[in-house]
Amino acid sequence: DIQMTQSPSSLSASVGDRVTITCHASQDITKHLNWYQQKAGIAPKLLIYDASKLETGVPSRFTGSGSGTDFTFTISSLQPEDFATYYCQQYHNLPRTFGGGTKVESK
Amino acid sequence: EVQLVESGGGLVQPGGSLRLSCAASGFTFNTYWMTWVRQAPGQGLEWVANIKEDGSEKNYVDSVKGRFTISRDNGKNSLYLQMNSLRGEDTAVYFCARGTYQNRHWGQGTLVTVSS
Repeated sequence: DIQMTQSPSSLSASVGDRVTITCHASQDITKHLNWYQQKAGIAPKLLIYDASKLETGVPSRFTGSGSGTDFTFTISSLQPEDFATYYCQQYHNLPRTFGGGTKVESK
Repeated sequence: EVQLVESGGGLVQPGGSLRLSCAASGFTFNTYWMTWVRQAPGQGLEWVANIKEDGSEKNYVDSVKGRFTISRDNGKNSLYLQMNSLRGEDTAVYFCARGTYQNRHWGQGTLVTVSS
């Protein structure tokens, strides 16, 4: 199985901050990577797919980059509604696997 | 509007069985792969299984192989997860989701608790 290692596992930030999360795959997944946002008790929401493509309706402050084994997710200017947990997920192989998550908390 | 509604969760003893259902509406169910994802309390997301549009291909994470069976009834627009030989580590909220590469639509989840 492909292991997805996300870092950090948590971070504290303020509204307006730039936030960056990284995701490392244990093998080459080309660009087969999604990023999801999950708020407590609610189903995840797809933000980014194909490593860098913005899902329809998602604000442009969310961006993704990378290919191969190393990927980056960025929130350019953190908004109050962005405090949540973020997950990367590979869909290069089965089983699909998620990173461990990054909880973005208020500083 | 796409809707996915899970049901069937509850408290079950170790070794017991449970069948989860996911009722789909608002889209042509038989043209989409479907997926189950679970989340243990306070933990991250874990992909569990998926099934092809016509049910001819099914895939599972190793930890549930031989114990869980994913199935679908396209005539009823429904997805199922039969869970047998349940263990404590199966305790989680189980979500159904549409798709195999990107999961753009999710249900609200149903809680399965395995405990004596």
